[in-house]
Amino acid sequence: EAQVTQNPRYLITVTGKKLTVTCSQNMNHEYMSWYRQDPGLGLRQIYYSMNVEVTDKGDVPEGYKVSRKEKRNFPLILESPSPNQTSLYFCASSLIWQKNQPQHFGDGTRLSIL
Amino acid sequence: EDQVTQSPEALRLQEGESSSLNCSYTVSGLRGLFWYRQDPGKGPEFLFTLYSAGEEKEKERLKATLTKKESFLHITAPKPEDSATYLCAVQDRDDKIIFGKGTRLHILP
Repeated sequence: EAQVTQNPRYLITVTGKKLTVTCSQNMNHEYMSWYRQDPGLGLRQIYYSMNVEVTDKGDVPEGYKVSRKEKRNFPLILESPSPNQTSLYFCASSLIWQKNQPQHFGDGTRLSIL
Repeated sequence: EDQVTQSPEALRLQEGESSSLNCSYTVSGLRGLFWYRQDPGKGPEFLFTLYSAGEEKEKERLKATLTKKESFLHITAPKPEDSATYLCAVQDRDDKIIFGKGTRLHILP
């Protein structure tokens, strides 16, 4: 089954404790992206990657890191999480970024930073 | 600056009562407009892509249309299972994607 898998689905942690949210897709997609979704603000892009070893900042990259060492994986790293990073996070992928390809989303990771 | 505005924020309909959701946009060089459906606790699920003014696409009870300034998602004779949040997104000439805040649709049986 074609899917985007995120782990963990839920995480409660404390300020300053480094964490990684993993994202993996099995569709051989070139493009991958991370979003956060907050009430009243909608989906906002954090980082995206056009292909292996190519990443770029989205609209709200501060406090986040990403890496793309393999085509299928795109982890999101919070080096020193803060309470304002409490949110619902989505990973997405698409076949080719240009040519208007729709994105396939994971089921989300709900992070609570205390 | 690119902008996507969806209205209404929330909509309650009786089963069978047709209506439309609106997505108005301001974008530098539209490359595509996307509609997604999002159920509680799930990620957005792709519905349609529209590329140019005048284009229409249909899927079951849903029909999406596009003009130069807005898109409509028409829902004909909706059922309770159509209840969800519907998201609109645009892709600009730089391939940047901007999402609207969504319309929460609730269909009453």
